Amino acid sequence: DADVTQTPRNRITKTGKRIMLECSQTKGHDRMYWYRQDPGLGLQLIYYSFDVKDINKGEISDGYSVSRQAQAKFSLSLESAIPNQTALYFCATSETSGNSYNEQFFGPGTRLTVL
Amino acid sequence: SQQGEEDPQALSIQEGENATMNCSYKTSINNLQWYRQNSGRGLVHLILIRSNEREKHSGRLRVTLDTSKKSSSLLITASRAADTASYFCATKPGSNYKLTFGKGTLLTVNP
Repeated sequence: DADVTQTPRNRITKTGKRIMLECSQTKGHDRMYWYRQDPGLGLQLIYYSFDVKDINKGEISDGYSVSRQAQAKFSLSLESAIPNQTALYFCATSETSGNSYNEQFFGPGTRLTVL
Repeated sequence: SQQGEEDPQALSIQEGENATMNCSYKTSINNLQWYRQNSGRGLVHLILIRSNEREKHSGRLRVTLDTSKKSSSLLITASRAADTASYFCATKPGSNYKLTFGKGTLLTVNP
């Protein structure tokens, strides 16, 4: 089984709808991240969480919110989806340790289309 | 804003040839990492080089880091069609826990 899973894998929704993307991991990592990727571009950090009680905004958090329900689960919500949020969304995890160099492990991605 | 910028944006080679991709960054770093992404899929970590290292090898991969020039290169030797993917560099600035990704190099290896 995959260490980092994302659901759904594909989603088409309409402008104004609320949508939730879910991420689960079995790696036992404390740190989790949400990124979006637009065609031909790198990854932009939306939110990151170092543990259940520590959630931080990334570069492009406007229009998004997150919930860290447990160490293994980190959900991303679009409160009112708009077309320019059409993108590929990735969840990632990394270890927490004094010697951590922050190698990140990625889920397979969710392709979101907002009409 | 993106810290790392890969060059070239796209590279097409024949199977068996070597592929070299470069990454430049702007601020001091703790480490630099290279990732591979097959079309539409998640990124896979390839190799990490620390700021006090100059060269690192992993199988057919060779990474160099020049902190004075704020640049890194990824060399893939004896390329295979399966190496076709986008390659991203990611930097970890100083004590910051976040990684900052570049826009990637799209490598195509023709059989």
